[in-house]
Amino acid sequence: DIQMTQSPLSLSASIGDRVTITCRASQTFVSNYLSWYQQKPGKAPRILIYSGSRLQSGVPSRFSGSASGPDFSLTISSLQSEDFATYFCHQTFLYPWTFGHGTRVEIK
Amino acid sequence: QVQLVQSGPEVKRPGASVKVSCKTSGFNLTSYDINWVRQASGQGLEWMGWMSPETGYAQHAQKFQDRVTLTAATSIATAYMELKRLTPDDTAVYYCVRDDFYSGPAWGQGTLVSVSS
Repeated sequence: DIQMTQSPLSLSASIGDRVTITCRASQTFVSNYLSWYQQKPGKAPRILIYSGSRLQSGVPSRFSGSASGPDFSLTISSLQSEDFATYFCHQTFLYPWTFGHGTRVEIK
Repeated sequence: QVQLVQSGPEVKRPGASVKVSCKTSGFNLTSYDINWVRQASGQGLEWMGWMSPETGYAQHAQKFQDRVTLTAATSIATAYMELKRLTPDDTAVYYCVRDDFYSGPAWGQGTLVSVSS
């Protein structure tokens, strides 16, 4: 199984901050099979980024994704109030699908 | 647009079975694999298995191997996940997910299954 090690597990940030969340895969795979999600309490995951760096339609451009070897990153360029949520990565390269444990972004 | 609409919440006794449906629209169900993922309260996401509505082939995660059945009724564009011999540890939100390399995964809204005596 591909393990997705996500960091940090939580962070406190202020409105306007630049925030980066990382997932490290236990084995390298093409970034086309990596997605990032935002999840708020009681809601289904909302896809932000797919194929490693493609912005889902309707998602603000302050969200971006990148990849370097086994490391995948989600960056929020300027944190807004509606961005306080949990974020997680998801690989669909191999079954079983695996997910990062999530990063909780809280207000500082 | 692509939509996956799941059935409503369920409350079950231990030992019972549950069948969750996932009604799809906006795409041809036979052209995509459907996965099922669950999330217990405050926990991470756990992949349960996938199936091909076109062929009926299904593959499950080892821990669910003998308890889960994944099916689809293509005539009504609906996928199903049945989980048997429920225990309180199966209390979770269950999601159907369409796998699409070109546009990323598309998720249903989730179905809460509560198991309690």
